[in-house]
Order: sequence, then C-alpha cells, then structure tokens
Amino acid sequence: AQKITQTQPGMFVQEKEAVTLDCTYDTSDPSYGLFWYKQPSSGEMIFLIYQGSYDQQNATEGRYSLNFQKARKSANLVISASQLGDSAMYFCAMRDYNTDKLIFGTGTRLQVFP
Amino acid sequence: GAVVSQHPSRVICKSGTSVKIECRSLDFQATTMFWYRQFPKQSLMLMATSNEGSKATYEQGVEKDKFLINHASLTLSTLTVTSAHPEDSSFYICSSGSANQETQYFGPGTRLLVL
Repeated sequence: AQKITQTQPGMFVQEKEAVTLDCTYDTSDPSYGLFWYKQPSSGEMIFLIYQGSYDQQNATEGRYSLNFQKARKSANLVISASQLGDSAMYFCAMRDYNTDKLIFGTGTRLQVFP
Repeated sequence: GAVVSQHPSRVICKSGTSVKIECRSLDFQATTMFWYRQFPKQSLMLMATSNEGSKATYEQGVEKDKFLINHASLTLSTLTVTSAHPEDSSFYICSSGSANQETQYFGPGTRLLVL
C-alpha cells in the first residue's frame, strides 16, 4: 500500500534562513507524483510544487525546491529565505495513478520567527 | 493554477438539519472532484471521489447515505450532510481533477459546526 511519512510534527526557522521539511514515501508503482501543499490557518490548501517519478531534475518553484531522492524514496521540501508568511502547516502528498487519489502525510507545522 | 470555489465558507446549523456544500471549478472542466474531511490538527481524510454523471465512490467507513454527493456537471459537485450531528462538525474541503491535469487544486474549505 502507498504511504507518505512526515516525521517532523513541528519545525522552527528564523526569518531569511532556509528550512527543509522531510517527506518519505512508499509505493510499488513505478509511476507516481509527489506534491507539497501549504495550509495556513485559514484552511485553504495551496499547491506549492510537484515532482514526477520520472523527472530527472529536482522541481523548483521560486523559493521552493523539492529534493527528490528516488532511491531513498524521499521528497523533501526546501524553503529558502523563509518569510514570516511561510508559517503554516505543510503536507506532502503522493498521487496514486491507478485511482487519481492523493495520499497525504500527517503534516509539519512550520513556524518562522523574526 | 486552477481556481476552485466552495460555498459556504462557514456554516452553523442545528442538530438534525441537512447542510449542502457546493464545490465549483471556475476555469476548467473537472471530470473528477474529491471530498475531504479534516479534524483539528490532523491531516486530510478522503471521503469520496465523484465523477461527473456517475455515482460517487466512497472510502471505507464513510456512510454514503449520510454524506450525499452529486456531480451533475463538469463544474459543480455538491456534498450534503444529512441529519447532521455534532460529531459531523469538521472542516470539509473539495479538490478538482481531470485526466489532463496533474495537480489537484483545492477549494477554500467549509467549516461546519453542528450545535
């Protein structure tokens, strides 16, 4: 069965510093997609970044980059130059291409302090 | 990214009443919509998958007669919580998907409080 694991319930980072949020996954399917979503206190789920299992290069979107290590089955999110507005819950998710369902991890609460 | 709206954003109702939540894809045709439920400080739990023009597929443990889902058009899916009880109080959020769209985009969510 497919599974997403986020082992960090909470992380702190100082403003302007970089932070890495961990995500490991488990699947026997050769094709899958990995996603990161941000959920601020308002509740909306904001799509941040996507990595396909066959992508050769790590995905980047502005200050977000995904450190994709396929052999280790990890898809860590790196946020560079943290801002106070980055404080939120962050969820890693994997798409099951058989069902199109997203499987979510338990989330990491990131707090950015001045 | 795609825009998904959800209405209402917040609802308070009395126990025993039914509540309808609408999820609309505003700028694309969503062949599939997903309904999730989220309890405080927890992750999203998939409740059901709705495909336009067909019956929804419910996840194990989700009562289909309790949570009625209708996906009558490519832009609208509705979730009706029937005979709501306090334990149904939660955050309900929908997302959209289509065959040619890699990413699911989420609506802003609906906070339901049943008194």
